[in-house]
Amino acid sequence: GQQVMQIPQYQHVQEGEDFTTYCNSSTTLSNIQWYKQRPGGHPVFLIQLVKSGEVKKQKRLTFQFGEAKKNSSLHITATQTTDVGTYFCAPFSGGYNKLIFGAGTRLAVHP
Amino acid sequence: ETGVTQTPRHLVMGMTNKKSLKCEQHLGHNAMYWYKQSAKKPLELMFVYSLEERVENNSVPSRFSPECPNSSHLFLHLHTLQPEDSALYLCASSQEGDYAYNEQFFGPGTRLTVL
Repeated sequence: GQQVMQIPQYQHVQEGEDFTTYCNSSTTLSNIQWYKQRPGGHPVFLIQLVKSGEVKKQKRLTFQFGEAKKNSSLHITATQTTDVGTYFCAPFSGGYNKLIFGAGTRLAVHP
Repeated sequence: ETGVTQTPRHLVMGMTNKKSLKCEQHLGHNAMYWYKQSAKKPLELMFVYSLEERVENNSVPSRFSPECPNSSHLFLHLHTLQPEDSALYLCASSQEGDYAYNEQFFGPGTRLTVL
């Protein structure tokens, strides 16, 4: 079945540094969602990307969908301690809103 | 806070016990999901219900039995579980449409420990 590779698995940064996580697929994706899960919490929806080459911004977060729709990235500018958590990419596979979650990138931010 | 509630939040059970997890969504959605999240694997989709009909069963062992009596409620019945079934079980809901891919709203999860 469809799978996505998410890298890195873990990233440790100093507060104020930038952070990027990448999501790669061997197949073309129809669209992709990103979720954040805080420690001890549950996944929370961040964004959905649909169009080839699409770029969306949410304050310090920038999401990109590759031109070939086989990869996506999430970039955080000037990280803050509130950014701590695990970031998952989740493309759709087939119908019925079936999401395939990546393994996630766990972000640690040290003050 | 997300409109999806789950009970219990924590559950410890023996391998011979029978228990049920409950999920309720207050968002008027028409699709509900069960996921398993363990330390060793990514978030795994277990079951999908659309309009109260099971449309997806991701090769889940029969010791997990879902039930969706209406569009707002979802249950996961557990029996004769194994220690490796210990995990966080997450329920989610979404509004499904023919051409819309909508976000999923997750509940807080049930932390299950099988002894």
